[in-house]
Amino acid sequence: KQEVTQIPAALSVPEGENLVLNCSFTDSAIYNLQWFRQDPGKGLTSLLLIQSSQREQTSGRLNASLDKSSGRSTLYIAASQPGDSATYLCAVQAGTYKYIFGTGTRLKVLA
Amino acid sequence: DVKVTQSSRYLVKRTGEKVFLECVQDMDHENMFWYRQDPGLGLRLIYFSYDVKMKEKGDIPEGYSVSREKKERFSLILESASTNQTSMYLCASSLSGREWGKETQYFGPGTRLLVL
Repeated sequence: KQEVTQIPAALSVPEGENLVLNCSFTDSAIYNLQWFRQDPGKGLTSLLLIQSSQREQTSGRLNASLDKSSGRSTLYIAASQPGDSATYLCAVQAGTYKYIFGTGTRLKVLA
Repeated sequence: DVKVTQSSRYLVKRTGEKVFLECVQDMDHENMFWYRQDPGLGLRLIYFSYDVKMKEKGDIPEGYSVSREKKERFSLILESASTNQTSMYLCASSLSGREWGKETQYFGPGTRLLVL
């Protein structure tokens, strides 16, 4: 059974710091892995999608990597800003309609 | 931009009431999903639909039903609301599922339901 884990559950960093969020999954048979952002009381916004054949994707200050063999993905945020404060979730697509989500890392960037 | 809207941001209902949550997407997506999100449990799939009038159970369908009469609209129904259905409900859509691994899900803003 596919399980997705995100550690730590919460993280506080000073503004300007580069940081890495981690996501691990137990079954390498995935279609893709996505990183989402969720602001308090809101829905999820897709940040990056890495197809199973890809190793990384970049968007602005965000870079996500995927290592299927080890069951790991990282989301790298460069030069963090207070506006980056949110919960970050990763999800693997394990079937045509099957998405498995982690429970998220709650990030606080301190001004 | 894809837009997924949900009929209510907050709802308060009484135990035993029938509750309707509506979701509308404006990008002609074939797939629509209903999740609930609870602290420590993450997102869990209740039902999904891959076409009009087609539906499939997700991981936690008990106590819920769905309706998809039009492509753009997917409704979640709580037949008889109970306190353990207090949660954040999130609707999502995706294009078709045929572009293996390339399609993202687009989420609505969520409905926070409190059942008293």
